[in-house]
Amino acid sequence: GAVVSQHPSWVICKSGTSVKIECRSLDFQATTMFWYRQFPKQSLMLMATSNEGSKATYEQGVEKDKFLINHASLTLSTLTVTSAHPEDSSFYICSVTIRDSNQPQHFGDGTRLSIL
Amino acid sequence: KQEVTQIPAALSVPEGENLVLNCSFTDSAIYNLQWFRQDPGKGLTSLLLIQSSQREQTSGRLNASLDKSSGRSTLYIAASQPGDSATYLCAVSTGANSKLTFGKGITLSVRP
Repeated sequence: GAVVSQHPSWVICKSGTSVKIECRSLDFQATTMFWYRQFPKQSLMLMATSNEGSKATYEQGVEKDKFLINHASLTLSTLTVTSAHPEDSSFYICSVTIRDSNQPQHFGDGTRLSIL
Repeated sequence: KQEVTQIPAALSVPEGENLVLNCSFTDSAIYNLQWFRQDPGKGLTSLLLIQSSQREQTSGRLNASLDKSSGRSTLYIAASQPGDSATYLCAVSTGANSKLTFGKGITLSVRP
């Protein structure tokens, strides 16, 4: 069964709205959570790395004030797209890694965000 | 900066054909390499994980090989089926809890 739950799976909203996406690890403690973004016909690009209890590390070119990441517990990280605009429309997907494990990253099912 | 390339971007084959999907990466100092499957509008399904010390991994009709020194990996799909139609992504990491760097993927279409 799924080890990562991402919610919601699909969001359509008006420009200027803030949208929160949740990524929850099920049945294990996630040391680190990654947030990726995928534009149509493009590869997944890492936006930020989220470690429990500390500030997220953002990739170059990603606005930290626009994409707010909170990783308050070992099982939950949230990504908030603030004042979303049409250019933020994309597929957002999280992944988690298990503490002290060589297991592969586990991915959520993704969130398709459409800003009108 | 690590770059992952997958060529061609799309591939169409008749059902039953054996096929090879290629992946190349620029920095050979990788920790592991993964192949994923992505269906349209969906998340990622991990297919195979190859650690840097390994040469290949097999799962059912899938076989992935890794040549770290030359920066190449291949995903071999035997006896392809229409249900194999999807986008196949290759990704590398530099550590146990490190980010993945993805290729753009190869969109495979298997014709009945």
